[in-house]
Amino acid sequence: QSALTQPRSVSGSPGQSVTISCTGTSSDVGAYDYVSWYRQDPGKAPKFLIFDVHKRSSGVPDRFSGSKSGNTASLTISGLQAGDEADYYCCSYAGSYTLVFGGGTKLTVL
Amino acid sequence: EVQLVQSGAEVRKPGESLRISCKGSGYSFSSFHIAWVRQVPGKGLEWMGVIYPGDSDTRYSPSFQGQVTISADKSIKTSYLQWRSLKASDTAMYYCARVGYCGSSSCRDLDYWGQGTLVTVSS
Repeated sequence: QSALTQPRSVSGSPGQSVTISCTGTSSDVGAYDYVSWYRQDPGKAPKFLIFDVHKRSSGVPDRFSGSKSGNTASLTISGLQAGDEADYYCCSYAGSYTLVFGGGTKLTVL
Repeated sequence: EVQLVQSGAEVRKPGESLRISCKGSGYSFSSFHIAWVRQVPGKGLEWMGVIYPGDSDTRYSPSFQGQVTISADKSIKTSYLQWRSLKASDTAMYYCARVGYCGSSSCRDLDYWGQGTLVTVSS
């Protein structure tokens, strides 16, 4: 299966909100409410942020929220902070014990 | 505390074999699937496959089926990723991750990750 489609980069100023989209197909994002999001800092392993489309992992601030409409999932970060700068990846269940990732989005805080 | 600790960086020549490891602690290792994820330098994450250490049931991404072997030894709480004949294109960072839930209807939530093992294949 093909990778989910994410914008290569997004940016925002401190305090603003940004949304990262994640577009799949009716066989993955559109078929299951099992979208998760991960943050990866340079040279580090990914960290778990969001599961089941909108549920936050333990310790993740409520500035991070997830949603889904049709074949597109979204991660919204409100009250942007300098420390939010990282790469963000979406991931969806695609059936038959398979997950598919997005290509990743680099978030820049201006 | 849940931890996944991976083996150290490896350098191999094309055609050589390799096995890297991922040791779990702080939870019931046999009861959670372990996934393996590839990240080519400068690129995104790729799902390679998953194993259930309790019975060693293994599922592969079609892209990696036949290219690698995923295994586990529940007695020592360790999963392995193995190559019989490495290629230069196998150069990447490899992560193991615990799957929060994986059943007949879904797999989801890579909730804990190892620190990664960098594999470099070069002549």
